[in-house]
Amino acid sequence: EAGVAQSPRYKIIEKRQSVAFWCNPISGHATLYWYQQILGQGPKLLIQFQNNGVVDDSQLPKDRFSAERLKGVDSTLKIQPAKLEDSAVYLCASSPRTSGGARSDTQYFGPGTRLTVL
Amino acid sequence: SQQGEEDPQALSIQEGENATMNCSYKTSINNLQWYRQNSGRGLVHLILIRSNEREKHSGRLRVTLDTSKKSSSLLITASRAADTASYFCATAGNQFYFGTGTSLTVIP
Repeated sequence: EAGVAQSPRYKIIEKRQSVAFWCNPISGHATLYWYQQILGQGPKLLIQFQNNGVVDDSQLPKDRFSAERLKGVDSTLKIQPAKLEDSAVYLCASSPRTSGGARSDTQYFGPGTRLTVL
Repeated sequence: SQQGEEDPQALSIQEGENATMNCSYKTSINNLQWYRQNSGRGLVHLILIRSNEREKHSGRLRVTLDTSKKSSSLLITASRAADTASYFCATAGNQFYFGTGTSLTVIP
């Protein structure tokens, strides 16, 4: 089966500009995650969707970050306006129908989008 | 702050040796998962151990979980150069957290 697709793979922007990332999860996976991974650190969960509803966005900086998954399939993550500290790899992951809790499933990751903010 | 802390931060061994990395966490969990990340790539799931399990094996991987100490360990036996990567533990409870990672280098 096809894996999680993300685009673009690389993006360079100047601070205060806007940027959007796209993710297409594995077909049939109900849960979709967006993570931010700063160099040398582990991924930090930004937002988790169950179908088209938000399960957890407690660590999403809502003043500048937004995400949507309107049809419960693919998703976009937007940053507006970008700051220097947003330079990171943005990872998308998906997992199948959850059992035993929305956060218990094995996650399948895409290759990520490397964002550089100048 | 992130849930998991991993130890050591970096590990360098010779091919054929065993590699052990440890993960400590803070709150109750449903399960703990280990992931691998090659440089510049996404994460790959390695193994999941549930909170009521103490040990689990998968090929050359052995994972232990001690919920009383809130710690887990990942053992890779007979390491290969291709095992060079960063390894992360991830705890699944009320929230999902990744640890800080261990960078493993296996020298041929």
